[in-house]
Amino acid sequence: EDKVVQSPLSLVVHEGDTVTLNCSYEVTNFRSLLWYKQEKKAPTFLFMLTSSGIEKKSGRLSSILDKKELFSILNITATQTGDSAIYLCAADMDTGRRALTFGSGTRLQVQP
Amino acid sequence: NAGVTQTPKFQVLKTGQSMTLQCAQDMNHNSMYWYRQDPGMGLRLIYYSASEGTTDKGEVPNGYNVSRLNKREFSLRLESAAPSQTSVYFCASSENLISPLHFGNGTRLTVT
Repeated sequence: EDKVVQSPLSLVVHEGDTVTLNCSYEVTNFRSLLWYKQEKKAPTFLFMLTSSGIEKKSGRLSSILDKKELFSILNITATQTGDSAIYLCAADMDTGRRALTFGSGTRLQVQP
Repeated sequence: NAGVTQTPKFQVLKTGQSMTLQCAQDMNHNSMYWYRQDPGMGLRLIYYSASEGTTDKGEVPNGYNVSRLNKREFSLRLESAAPSQTSVYFCASSENLISPLHFGNGTRLTVT
């Protein structure tokens, strides 16, 4: 069975801290790993990773994929209260049809 | 710059009632999706449409039907609602079957 596991489930930090969110996957015919940020409503796309070891960066957020060890991390540096959200990762599979398996998310709370 | 628009935002149904959730996207995307999000379960795919004129089952299709009305619109119908269908429903679209999903703001459905 395909599965994506995120850890920790929940995290509380203070503004200015750096956080690392983890996503491990066991899926068949892996194609890519995606990260989303979900505040109150729609998940918004952050990164899509297809190659091992190549860091993707957007401002204070960065992410990297390890296809050998089957995991990805999302780093957020100098956290702000606006980073408070649920962070979702999803593994996309090459099956000839859409097969995207989501993890259940990490809830991040950044306190002032 | 609306992106993906879903209606309604909230709905309460009695067991056995029917309803249709509407979704429209203005990004000229080929593929559209319906997901449900339940606590601790992650996002699960109900149905998707790879391109106009096609639909396909996802992970949890039972109790639902879909219609890809045209390239912009993709509706989800519950013919006879059950309490197990209480959930938050998200419509999403993507340029094709391997590109990132863009989500709507969701419909919170309660079935009593």
